[in-house]
Amino acid sequence: DGGITQSPKYLFRKEGQNVTLSCEQNLNHDAMYWYRQDPGQGLRLIYYSQIVNDFQKGDIAEGYSVSREKKESFPLTVTSAQKNPTAFYLCASSIEPGYSGNTIYFGEGSWLTVV
Amino acid sequence: DQQVKQNSPSLSVQEGRISILNCDYTNSMFDYFLWYKKYPAEGPTFLISISSIKDKNEDGRFTVFLNKSAKHLSLHIVPSQPGDSAVYFCASKAPSGSRLTFGEGTQLTVNP
Repeated sequence: DGGITQSPKYLFRKEGQNVTLSCEQNLNHDAMYWYRQDPGQGLRLIYYSQIVNDFQKGDIAEGYSVSREKKESFPLTVTSAQKNPTAFYLCASSIEPGYSGNTIYFGEGSWLTVV
Repeated sequence: DQQVKQNSPSLSVQEGRISILNCDYTNSMFDYFLWYKKYPAEGPTFLISISSIKDKNEDGRFTVFLNKSAKHLSLHIVPSQPGDSAVYFCASKAPSGSRLTFGEGTQLTVNP
C-alpha cells in the first residue's frame, strides 16, 4: 500500500528540548515537504526538498532543521530555537518537482505540543 | 504577503444545495491551482485541480472555475452532502519550482 507515513501522531515536548518528526514515503516521489498548520493561517511551508541531499527553506524555516539522506525519508527536527512549536505538522510529497501539473500528497499529520 | 486568500473562514449550506467556495490570488505567475479537503486531525486530500489554460474543470459533483483576469477561482459542490463538511484549502503554484502556496482555508458545514 503506497503512501506517506508520519510518526508519531502525537508528541509532547518540554521547553528547551529538540524533537524529530519522522516522514517516510514509498511512492517513489522525488520531492518532499514539511508544512505547519495553525488555526486561521492555512498551511505554511517550513522546508522542502526536490532531490536527495538537497533541501531549501520555506517561509517559516527558523527554528527547524531537516535532512534528506534517502529519497523516501525527510525527517523534521523542531529545535529549542522555535519559539512557538505547538502546531499540527504535515509532511507531503510529489512526483516531479517543477512539473506544472504537480499534485502534492499529504501524510496524516503529527500533533506537537510543548508542555 | 498573503498571495492566496480565502476570505470566508466558514460557510454553511443545506444538504442538496450548492456550495461555492472562493479563492483569490495575487501572483500572476501562478499557472496551476488545486483544491484540498481536510478533516480534523488528518492530512489534506487532493480534490480537484485546474491549469491556467482552462477556465473550468469538472469531476463529478465538484467543479472548479478559474477567472484569470480577476485572479479568482471557485469550487462548486452540487449537490452538497453532509460528508462534504470539512475545511477546504485552495493552493496555487508558479511554473518555476514545485512548492504550493495555500490559502487560509474555509470550513464548510453541510446541514442535513
